[in-house]
Amino acid sequence: NAGVMQNPRHLVRRRGQEARLRCSPMKGHSHVYWYRQLPEEGLKFMVYLQKENIIDESGMPKERFSAEFPKEGPSILRIQQVVRGDSAAYFCASSPNRANSPLHFGNGTRLTVT
Amino acid sequence: QQQVKQSPQSLIVQKGGISIINCAYENTAFDYFPWYQQFPGKGPALLIAIRPDVSEKKEGRFTISFNKSAKQFSLHIMDSQPGDSATYFCAASNRGVRETSGSRLTFGEGTQLTVNP
Repeated sequence: NAGVMQNPRHLVRRRGQEARLRCSPMKGHSHVYWYRQLPEEGLKFMVYLQKENIIDESGMPKERFSAEFPKEGPSILRIQQVVRGDSAAYFCASSPNRANSPLHFGNGTRLTVT
Repeated sequence: QQQVKQSPQSLIVQKGGISIINCAYENTAFDYFPWYQQFPGKGPALLIAIRPDVSEKKEGRFTISFNKSAKQFSLHIMDSQPGDSATYFCAASNRGVRETSGSRLTFGEGTQLTVNP
């Protein structure tokens, strides 16, 4: 049973470019969460999605960041016009639609903005 | 009120010793407290979790102690091994708002554990 798959593992972008991070949840999981981890810091919640719906985006920056989880295909975290401060590890987690279910994390995408 | 404070930031323990990591929270609505282990270049992996209706949970060498009145919980690693060297995160969530927050977790800042051979 494959775990949460994130790609790419490493992504380098120049300032002003767009970054697209993909996440395929575990089989049978319909809930996806995105977290950001800055160097030497903990994980900060960004957004919680179910299929075709954004449930909670209270942790997302108001500008340049967007997320989607379409009916078919992976969840996408999109960062437009990246800046150096966006350099971080971005982790996706998934859970099933079941009470008291734990989060399972992918191995992250490490974004470097040059 | 959503914060979870974790200490120490780093910890060095000799092989065979006990590693203790502490966390404190403010939101009394939190009702689920997991610990995650993260190795370099990997995502966090669930280690052990506890609910506030029990004061202690043990799984192998790992034990969570929970003090509801003090709003604190801690992870104890008995007989620490070099392979336990990793970053440990405590977390908390409020399962009561599941419809709007799902299994969303609030994480502590992490503790980098080094176990010397």
